[in-house]
Parts: sequence; structure tokens; C-alpha cells
Amino acid sequence: QVQLVESGGGVVQPGGSLRLSCAASGFTFRSYGMHWVRQAPGRGLEWVAVIWFDGSQKYYGDSMKGRFIISRDNSKNTLFLEINSLRGEDTSVYYCARGFGSSVVHDALDVWGQGTMVTVSS
Amino acid sequence: QSALTQPASVSGSLGQAITISCTGSTSDVGVNKYVSWYQQHPGSAPKLVISDVSNRPSGVSSRFSGSKSGNTASLTIAGLQTEDEADYYCTSHTRSNTLLVGGGTKVTVL
Repeated sequence: QVQLVESGGGVVQPGGSLRLSCAASGFTFRSYGMHWVRQAPGRGLEWVAVIWFDGSQKYYGDSMKGRFIISRDNSKNTLFLEINSLRGEDTSVYYCARGFGSSVVHDALDVWGQGTMVTVSS
Repeated sequence: QSALTQPASVSGSLGQAITISCTGSTSDVGVNKYVSWYQQHPGSAPKLVISDVSNRPSGVSSRFSGSKSGNTASLTIAGLQTEDEADYYCTSHTRSNTLLVGGGTKVTVL
């Protein structure tokens, strides 16, 4: 079945870095744009970034530019998110999601992973 | 960019229809058809219920419908059921090629 499984979350000290992974299965990964979306505890969703099917284009949320890097490895059906200089406000569940649609950012997210929790704390 | 504006909460009785609004600007909701809606139950990932303003994905109940007028998009849930109690979020593609998210609306079934 179509599935996305995130990993790589955990407790990280402020100023540290983390690389999240999202393993895709059950569909042709290389044909889809992929997103990261985060949700702080008890808060709403916040869009992080999208990467095109071939990795040629990447777009980031306004508050995500500079510290977040989205990438993918189509040979391994895996999506990545690197987060640098972590801050307390980055504490969130991070979801990966498959995007579709004719907009530049493939804006409709029709398949979601279960999320991975990132906690930034000393 | 500010988040899209949604009411914090909407409630309705079983079987009633409710509508959730999502207000943006001429830089996002008002200029394209790329508005989506998501349902999220506590402890679960979001689920797409409407894409492209009014398209309902396969498997989503026909009780969910979407529309747009100017800078405001709307999600209507007809015949409210207990399983509809959840948080709902709208999103919109923007002119700067980002995805803007609404603040979320908690739907309560009375």
C-alpha cells in the first residue's frame, strides 16, 4: 500500500543539527513532488518546504529559509530534511507528505506519514 | 506572510450543515484555484478532504464540499456526523510559490 514513514526525530540541544528521513513505498516516488509540514505541540500546521519530483526545484516557507534544507534520493525512494541551528521553537512533529496538482508547489497533499517528533531542549 | 484566517471554532448539531471560512488575500486565495482543506483528528496525521477549491478526492464523503468567492474559500460539511469532530485546516498556493496554511478550526458536534 501507499506509505510514508518518517524517522530521525529525537531530543536535540539548541544549536544542534538533525536530519530527518521519509521512506516512501507503494507508489512511483520519482514522479511526485514531496513536502515537509510541521506541527508544534497543541498548535496548527506549518508548511516547511517542497521539492520537485526530480529535485530540480525547492521552495521554502518564509520562516524556514536558511536553516532548513530539503533533498531527496530517488534511487532510494527517500526524502530528507536537514535542520540546522535548532531552536526551541522548532520543537514539533514533522510530517512528510506527497504532493500533487498543477501548481508549482504541487499543493494538494494526499498521502501523509505518521510524523516524527523533534524536541529541542538542553 | 501571515497565515490564512480561519475561525477558531465552529459547532453544529448532528445532521446540521456547517461552513468554515478561510480568508486570504490577492496574493494567495484570491488569485488561484489552489486551495485545499484537511481534516485532522487528535493524534493523527491530516487527511486531504478537498483540493483545487472544490474537488473531493476519492473516498471522501460527499457531505464535504468546497467553494470560493474572492479572497475567501469555504468548506461546508452537510449532515454533520460525530466522526466529523476534528480540526480543519485550509491551505493556498501563493504568488511567491509557497504554501500558506490557515490557523485551523476546531469543529464540535453538539
